[in-house]
Amino acid sequence: EVQLVESGGGLIQPGGSLRLSCAVSGFTVSDNFMSWVRQAPGKGLECVSVLYTDGTTNYADSVKGRFTISRDKSKNMLYLQMNSLRAEDTAVYHCATIWSGGFDVWGQGTMVTVSS
Amino acid sequence: ETVMTQSPATLSVSPGERATLSCRASQSISSNLAWYQQKPGQAPRLLIYGASTRATGIPARFSGSGSGTEFTLTLSSLQSEDFALYYCQQYNNWYTFGQGTKLEIK
Repeated sequence: EVQLVESGGGLIQPGGSLRLSCAVSGFTVSDNFMSWVRQAPGKGLECVSVLYTDGTTNYADSVKGRFTISRDKSKNMLYLQMNSLRAEDTAVYHCATIWSGGFDVWGQGTMVTVSS
Repeated sequence: ETVMTQSPATLSVSPGERATLSCRASQSISSNLAWYQQKPGQAPRLLIYGASTRATGIPARFSGSGSGTEFTLTLSSLQSEDFALYYCQQYNNWYTFGQGTKLEIK
Protein backbone atom coordinates (compact mmCIF):
# COMPACT_ATOMS: atom_id res chain seq x y z
CA GLU A 1 0.00 0.00 0.00
CA VAL A 2 1.26 3.45 -0.93
CA GLN A 3 1.59 5.55 2.21
CA LEU A 4 3.25 8.76 3.37
CA VAL A 5 3.70 9.53 7.06
CA GLU A 6 5.09 12.87 8.22
CA SER A 7 6.79 13.65 11.50
CA GLY A 8 8.95 16.31 13.09
CA GLY A 9 6.52 19.16 13.56
CA GLY A 10 6.14 21.11 16.77
CA LEU A 11 6.38 24.49 18.44
CA ILE A 12 9.46 26.50 17.52
CA GLN A 13 10.53 30.08 18.20
CA PRO A 14 10.94 32.58 15.37
CA GLY A 15 14.37 32.27 13.83
CA GLY A 16 14.64 28.62 14.80
CA SER A 17 15.12 25.49 12.71
CA LEU A 18 13.16 22.29 12.29
CA ARG A 19 13.51 19.22 10.10
CA LEU A 20 10.40 17.46 8.86
CA SER A 21 10.49 13.83 7.77
CA CYS A 22 8.21 11.85 5.50
CA ALA A 23 8.35 8.06 5.64
CA VAL A 24 7.51 6.55 2.28
CA SER A 25 6.09 3.07 1.82
CA GLY A 26 4.75 1.23 -1.21
CA PHE A 27 7.14 2.85 -3.67
CA THR A 28 10.72 4.19 -3.88
CA VAL A 29 11.09 7.85 -2.95
CA SER A 30 13.57 8.53 -5.76
CA ASP A 31 11.24 7.09 -8.42
CA ASN A 32 8.63 9.83 -7.98
CA PHE A 33 8.40 13.59 -8.01
CA MET A 34 7.98 14.50 -4.35
CA SER A 35 6.77 17.68 -2.69
CA TRP A 36 5.93 19.50 0.49
CA VAL A 37 2.63 21.36 0.55
CA ARG A 38 1.52 23.45 3.50
CA GLN A 39 -1.79 24.76 4.73
CA ALA A 40 -1.95 27.55 7.29
CA PRO A 41 -4.81 27.26 9.82
CA GLY A 42 -8.08 28.04 8.07
CA LYS A 43 -6.25 28.96 4.88
CA GLY A 44 -5.56 27.53 1.45
CA LEU A 45 -2.80 25.34 0.07
CA GLU A 46 0.74 26.34 -0.88
CA CYS A 47 3.37 24.16 -2.53
CA VAL A 48 6.66 25.10 -0.88
CA SER A 49 9.13 22.65 -2.41
CA VAL A 50 9.51 19.97 -5.06
CA LEU A 51 12.19 17.32 -5.57
CA TYR A 52 12.27 15.75 -9.00
CA THR A 53 13.50 12.28 -9.90
CA ASP A 54 16.70 13.69 -11.41
CA GLY A 55 17.55 15.39 -8.10
CA THR A 56 16.55 18.87 -9.21
CA THR A 57 14.85 20.95 -6.54
CA ASN A 58 12.59 23.98 -6.63
CA TYR A 59 11.06 26.25 -4.03
CA ALA A 60 8.32 28.79 -3.57
CA ASP A 61 9.65 32.34 -3.34
CA SER A 62 8.31 32.53 0.22
CA VAL A 63 10.79 29.89 1.44
CA LYS A 64 13.67 30.14 -1.04
CA GLY A 65 17.01 30.31 0.75
CA ARG A 66 15.50 29.11 4.03
CA PHE A 67 14.09 25.63 3.27
CA THR A 68 15.88 22.63 1.76
CA ILE A 69 14.21 19.50 0.43
CA SER A 70 16.13 16.23 0.28
CA ARG A 71 15.67 12.46 0.20
CA ASP A 72 17.42 9.36 1.45
CA LYS A 73 16.87 6.42 -0.86
CA SER A 74 18.39 3.93 1.58
CA LYS A 75 15.80 4.89 4.20
CA ASN A 76 13.06 5.70 1.70
CA MET A 77 12.55 9.06 3.36
CA LEU A 78 11.81 12.62 2.25
CA TYR A 79 12.92 15.60 4.34
CA LEU A 80 12.34 19.31 4.63
CA GLN A 81 14.96 21.31 6.51
CA MET A 82 13.42 24.60 7.60
CA ASN A 83 15.68 27.41 8.84
CA SER A 84 15.04 31.01 9.89
CA LEU A 85 11.43 30.18 10.63
CA ARG A 86 8.85 32.94 10.72
CA ALA A 87 5.35 33.23 12.17
CA GLU A 88 3.93 33.00 8.64
CA ASP A 89 5.47 29.53 8.26
CA THR A 90 2.94 28.23 10.79
CA ALA A 91 0.96 25.52 8.98
CA VAL A 92 0.26 21.85 8.56
CA TYR A 93 2.96 20.46 6.30
CA HIS A 94 2.05 17.57 4.01
CA CYS A 95 4.38 15.54 1.88
CA ALA A 96 2.82 14.49 -1.41
CA THR A 97 3.72 12.72 -4.62
CA ILE A 98 3.21 14.44 -7.95
CA TRP A 99 1.67 12.49 -10.80
CA SER A 100 0.86 14.10 -14.13
CA GLY A 101 1.12 17.49 -12.44
CA GLY A 102 -1.37 16.78 -9.70
CA PHE A 103 -0.58 15.96 -6.07
CA ASP A 104 -1.99 12.46 -5.95
CA VAL A 105 -0.86 10.78 -2.71
CA TRP A 106 -0.78 12.82 0.49
CA GLY A 107 0.30 12.24 4.03
CA GLN A 108 -1.91 13.42 6.88
CA GLY A 109 0.52 16.19 7.71
CA THR A 110 2.54 17.47 10.64
CA MET A 111 1.80 20.77 12.38
CA VAL A 112 4.49 23.43 12.64
CA THR A 113 3.82 26.37 14.94
CA VAL A 114 6.26 29.28 14.94
CA SER A 115 5.68 31.42 17.99
CA SER A 116 7.51 32.95 20.92
CA GLU B 1 3.22 33.88 -10.65
CA THR B 2 0.03 32.41 -12.04
CA VAL B 3 -2.87 33.39 -9.78
CA MET B 4 -5.86 31.06 -9.60
CA THR B 5 -9.25 32.53 -8.74
CA GLN B 6 -12.20 30.32 -7.83
CA SER B 7 -15.85 31.24 -7.80
CA PRO B 8 -18.11 31.30 -6.00
CA ALA B 9 -16.53 31.22 -2.54
CA THR B 10 -19.54 29.25 -1.28
CA LEU B 11 -22.08 27.29 -3.30
CA SER B 12 -25.32 26.01 -1.79
CA VAL B 13 -26.88 23.09 -3.66
CA SER B 14 -29.45 20.45 -2.77
CA PRO B 15 -28.55 16.74 -2.78
CA GLY B 16 -29.30 15.14 -6.12
CA GLU B 17 -28.78 18.38 -8.02
CA ARG B 18 -25.84 19.52 -10.14
CA ALA B 19 -23.04 21.79 -8.93
CA THR B 20 -20.76 23.83 -11.17
CA LEU B 21 -17.54 25.29 -9.75
CA SER B 22 -15.35 27.74 -11.67
CA CYS B 23 -11.64 28.43 -11.72
CA ARG B 24 -9.84 31.14 -13.65
CA ALA B 25 -6.10 31.46 -14.27
CA SER B 26 -4.39 34.85 -14.52
CA GLN B 27 -2.62 33.64 -17.67
CA SER B 28 -3.02 30.73 -20.02
CA ILE B 29 -2.11 27.39 -18.46
CA SER B 30 -3.20 25.18 -21.38
CA SER B 31 -4.80 22.10 -19.76
CA ASN B 32 -2.36 21.96 -16.85
CA LEU B 33 -5.02 22.04 -14.16
CA ALA B 34 -6.04 19.76 -11.32
CA TRP B 35 -9.00 19.70 -8.93
CA TYR B 36 -9.07 18.53 -5.32
CA GLN B 37 -11.65 17.78 -2.67
CA GLN B 38 -10.86 18.41 0.99
CA LYS B 39 -12.93 17.48 4.03
CA PRO B 40 -12.31 18.82 7.55
CA GLY B 41 -9.27 17.30 9.20
CA GLN B 42 -8.24 15.44 6.05
CA ALA B 43 -5.63 15.90 3.38
CA PRO B 44 -6.86 16.96 -0.04
CA ARG B 45 -7.83 14.24 -2.51
CA LEU B 46 -6.93 14.52 -6.17
CA LEU B 47 -10.06 14.39 -8.36
CA ILE B 48 -9.05 15.60 -11.80
CA TYR B 49 -5.79 16.28 -13.64
CA GLY B 50 -5.12 17.46 -17.16
CA ALA B 51 -8.28 19.58 -16.73
CA SER B 52 -10.58 16.66 -17.54
CA THR B 53 -8.99 13.29 -16.62
CA ARG B 54 -10.41 11.67 -13.51
CA ALA B 55 -7.87 10.32 -11.04
CA THR B 56 -7.97 6.67 -10.05
CA GLY B 57 -11.13 5.71 -8.19
CA ILE B 58 -12.95 9.00 -8.75
CA PRO B 59 -16.65 8.51 -9.61
CA ALA B 60 -17.94 9.47 -13.02
CA ARG B 61 -20.23 12.12 -11.49
CA PHE B 62 -17.12 14.31 -11.20
CA SER B 63 -16.14 15.92 -14.51
CA GLY B 64 -13.74 18.67 -15.48
CA SER B 65 -13.57 20.88 -18.52
CA GLY B 66 -11.83 23.93 -19.92
CA SER B 67 -8.46 25.07 -21.21
CA GLY B 68 -6.43 28.24 -21.37
CA THR B 69 -7.73 30.40 -18.52
CA GLU B 70 -11.26 29.18 -17.80
CA PHE B 71 -12.05 25.86 -16.12
CA THR B 72 -15.06 24.13 -14.62
CA LEU B 73 -15.61 21.26 -12.23
CA THR B 74 -19.08 19.75 -12.48
CA LEU B 75 -20.60 17.42 -9.94
CA SER B 76 -23.74 15.80 -11.27
CA SER B 77 -26.35 14.43 -8.87
CA LEU B 78 -24.71 15.48 -5.61
CA GLN B 79 -24.27 12.86 -2.91
CA SER B 80 -24.01 13.65 0.81
CA GLU B 81 -20.29 12.87 0.80
CA ASP B 82 -19.64 15.47 -1.92
CA PHE B 83 -20.25 18.44 0.35
CA ALA B 84 -16.73 19.67 1.03
CA LEU B 85 -14.12 22.22 0.04
CA TYR B 86 -12.81 22.16 -3.53
CA TYR B 87 -9.54 23.58 -4.84
CA CYS B 88 -8.17 24.05 -8.32
CA GLN B 89 -4.41 24.00 -8.92
CA GLN B 90 -2.29 24.85 -11.95
CA TYR B 91 1.00 23.19 -12.82
CA ASN B 92 1.96 25.10 -15.95
CA ASN B 93 4.24 27.46 -14.06
CA TRP B 94 5.22 26.17 -10.63
CA TYR B 95 2.26 24.89 -8.65
CA THR B 96 -0.37 27.29 -7.33
CA PHE B 97 -3.81 26.73 -5.87
CA GLY B 98 -7.03 28.68 -5.91
CA GLN B 99 -8.51 29.87 -2.62
CA GLY B 100 -11.23 27.22 -2.66
CA THR B 101 -14.99 26.86 -3.08
CA LYS B 102 -17.05 25.53 -0.20
CA LEU B 103 -19.87 23.31 -1.44
CA GLU B 104 -22.59 23.23 1.20
CA ILE B 105 -25.98 21.62 1.53
CA LYS B 106 -28.91 23.86 0.64
